[in-house]
Amino acid sequence: NAGVTQTPKFQVLKTGQSMTLQCAQDMNHNSMYWYRQDPGMGLRLIYYSASEGTTDKGEVPNGYNVSRLNKREFSLRLESAAPSQTSVYFCASSYRGQSTEAFFGQGTRLTVV
Amino acid sequence: DQQVKQNSPSLSVQEGRISILNCDYTNSMFDYFLWYKKYPAEGPTFLISISSIKDKNEDGRFTVFLNKSAKHLSLHIVPSQPGDSAVYFCAVQGGSEKLVFGKGTKLTVNP
Repeated sequence: NAGVTQTPKFQVLKTGQSMTLQCAQDMNHNSMYWYRQDPGMGLRLIYYSASEGTTDKGEVPNGYNVSRLNKREFSLRLESAAPSQTSVYFCASSYRGQSTEAFFGQGTRLTVV
Repeated sequence: DQQVKQNSPSLSVQEGRISILNCDYTNSMFDYFLWYKKYPAEGPTFLISISSIKDKNEDGRFTVFLNKSAKHLSLHIVPSQPGDSAVYFCAVQGGSEKLVFGKGTKLTVNP
């Protein structure tokens, strides 16, 4: 059972570079999320997708774009990386609707220098 | 403005004793509440949940209590084990289906 798979696991970028974080789930979930975790800040929602083709901003969307091209995959793009985007990024998925728990990937540790 | 508050960044307990982790929320429209556990270098994993129609949910050593009037929930772990040492996140969900997390509490269970 793969669950939620994120790639890459680690990445170092220079300021101004761009990159895409990939996320795929094999649980037939409708909803997918991107969170970032910073020390003392908990998990903050960047973007949310309730279904294929739909996305919604979360708490900290600035500097990011997302793409939900199909049910399985939800990517997060940094167009011009900044040191403030140094963080651990988690992708998660869940069944649509309330009262359902989300399943998380292992995370991508991103450092922007 | 924090919607979910975990006011204790850390908690240390002895093995075999009870661990109590607390969480407060601000919006009475939240109606589903979850606890997640996170080990270093791993993603969070779901632990236990409770809906607003209940005030208690139990799963083995883990019990979650919900006090809607106080907008407060707590997680009790009895008895605590060294393997329970992790960061615990409280999360809430309302009509938007988005999960909103607290900042987490680091639990250390000493042998």
